[in-house]
Amino acid sequence: AQKVTQAQTEISVVEKEDVTLDCVYETRDTTYYLFWYKQPPSGELVFLIRRNSFDEQNEISGRYSWNFQKSTSSFNFTITASQVVDSAVYFCALSDDFSGGYNKLIFGAGTRLAVHP
Amino acid sequence: ETGVTQTPRHLVMGMTNKKSLKCEQHLGHNAMYWYKQSAKKPLELMFVYSLEERVENNSVPSRFSPECPNSSHLFLHLHTLQPEDSALYLCASSQEGGDEQYFGPGTRLTVT
Repeated sequence: AQKVTQAQTEISVVEKEDVTLDCVYETRDTTYYLFWYKQPPSGELVFLIRRNSFDEQNEISGRYSWNFQKSTSSFNFTITASQVVDSAVYFCALSDDFSGGYNKLIFGAGTRLAVHP
Repeated sequence: ETGVTQTPRHLVMGMTNKKSLKCEQHLGHNAMYWYKQSAKKPLELMFVYSLEERVENNSVPSRFSPECPNSSHLFLHLHTLQPEDSALYLCASSQEGGDEQYFGPGTRLTVT
């Protein structure tokens, strides 16, 4: 069965610290997609990244970077030099069912990140 | 601006009321979704529409009734809800299977 585990419920850091959000997933499929979303206090989920199971290259986008390791079924997210605006709940999600032209996302429970000035 | 809008943003209703949530996507996507987000629970997929046809109904009680009149609009009709139905209801859309979903801002529903 598919499952996404975000073991860190809440993380609190001081501005400019680096922080890594962990994501571990379970799936029996060899083809799947992984996602990260950000949910600020306003409530809207903001798409951050999509990665397919065949692309293990790490990705960097500004202060954000992602480390995908199939060997450990992990897709971790690092924010470098955190800022107060990074405070939000971050969700990792998995999709291994997308044959019907749509996507069934399995979300983790989320990690609440608080960045203090 | 994500291209997915939801109205109303906040809704308070009694258990005997009937109300509807509306979602509109301006992205030309083929699939639309309803999710429920309760406190301390993971996001729960409720319904999926692909090309205006309902393809998923995840054991959602019949007091929630979705409607997709065209590929840009999605409704969630509510009647005789329970207090435990109070939650944030999120709409999303995507283009193809495997693609990322884009979410609206949600409707914060309180059932009294």
